[in-house]
Formats: sequence, structure tokens, C-alpha cells
Amino acid sequence: GQQLNQSPQSMFIQEGEDVSMNCTSSSIFNTWLWYKQDPGEGPVLLIALYKAGELTSNGRLTAQFGITRKDSFLNISASIPSDVGIYFCAGQPDNTDKLIFGTGTRLQVFP
Amino acid sequence: DSGVTQTPKHLITATGQRVTLRCSPRSGDLSVYWYQQSLDQGLQFLIQYYNGEERAKGNILERFSAQQFPDLHSELNLSSLELGDSALYFCASSPDNTGELFFGEGSRLTVL
Repeated sequence: GQQLNQSPQSMFIQEGEDVSMNCTSSSIFNTWLWYKQDPGEGPVLLIALYKAGELTSNGRLTAQFGITRKDSFLNISASIPSDVGIYFCAGQPDNTDKLIFGTGTRLQVFP
Repeated sequence: DSGVTQTPKHLITATGQRVTLRCSPRSGDLSVYWYQQSLDQGLQFLIQYYNGEERAKGNILERFSAQQFPDLHSELNLSSLELGDSALYFCASSPDNTGELFFGEGSRLTVL
């Protein structure tokens, strides 16, 4: 079945640094989304992308839908302690409503 | 608060037993998704319903079944439970099928 590979698996950064993570697939996706999960809670939607090449920002977050439709990246600028959590990419394969999640990137921010 | 309610929050049971997890979607949302998250793992898609009908299926075991009722709430039934079924089970709802999901807080199942 479809798989989304996320990298890196984990990141340890200092407050104020920028962060970049990405997600790749072996098959085409027609929607890419990024979610964040805090400990003990359900994931929360950060950004949704619907067109190949689309670049979207949400505050300090920027995400892009790759033009091949097989990848996406998420950047976080000027990280702060509350950015700590697990970031998941998610995608909808062509012609299906299912939403597949990536393996996650665990982010730790040190003051 | 996402508006999605899951019950129970915690459940401890024995191998071989059967449990039912319940999900009430956000008001007006027609689509319900179920995911399994094992310890420190990603979210595994199980099944999706839209307005009472099964719309998409993932890696859901034959021992598991789900349904969405006319009032749009959904139930996930897990039977012949095994130790490996211990996990967080999340329900999420969406007004449409764009992938923009609102997640509940999850039901933590422990099988002893």
C-alpha cells in the first residue's frame, strides 16, 4: 500500500533556529497536509495543500506541495518552546478519500 | 477542544475479549475516520465512513469492524483482542473529504 516516508525522524534544535522537514511518497498524492501532535492529544491540522507547486504559510510555518505530487516539505522559522511535538505529513492518494499519515518527525526545542 | 468526542478515554481488558469504542463527530461533519496509534508509532488508517456508508478501508484487521449510524456517530468494534491491539485509537471527523480532519482525544486501550 501507499507509504509516506518522513525525515528526519527527530530533531533537537535551539530556540530561534529554523527547522525543515520533508515527506516523500512512491506514488502520487492529490492532497498534502501537515499535522502536529502534542503529548496525550490528537493531531491538529497546521496547513493543507491542494495544488502541485502550491506554497502556503501559516504564521511561522510554510509548506509546499511538490510539483511531482510525490513530496512535500514543512519549514518552521524562529522556533519557540511550544513548537515541541510530533509533526506528521498526511496525504490523500489519487482517487481515494483515505488519508495516509507519515511516520512523524519528533521536534525538541531547547531554550 | 476539537468538538469530536471519544469514549471511553481509557479501557483495560483481557486477551480474547471484545470492546466497543464510540465517536461523536463535530456537529455537521459527515465523514468519520478511525486510526490506530501504537506506542511511539505513526497513525495507521483503519477505515472511513461518509454519511453512513463505508468510503475507504485501510489496514483494518478482520477482527475489527466499524459502522456509522444515522445520527452520524460511529463505533469501532474490536474482538478477540490480542496484546498487540494495545494502542491509542483516534476518531476524526471532517465536513467533507478534503483531508482536513478534526481529531478526538483518543481512546487508550490496554490489553493484558
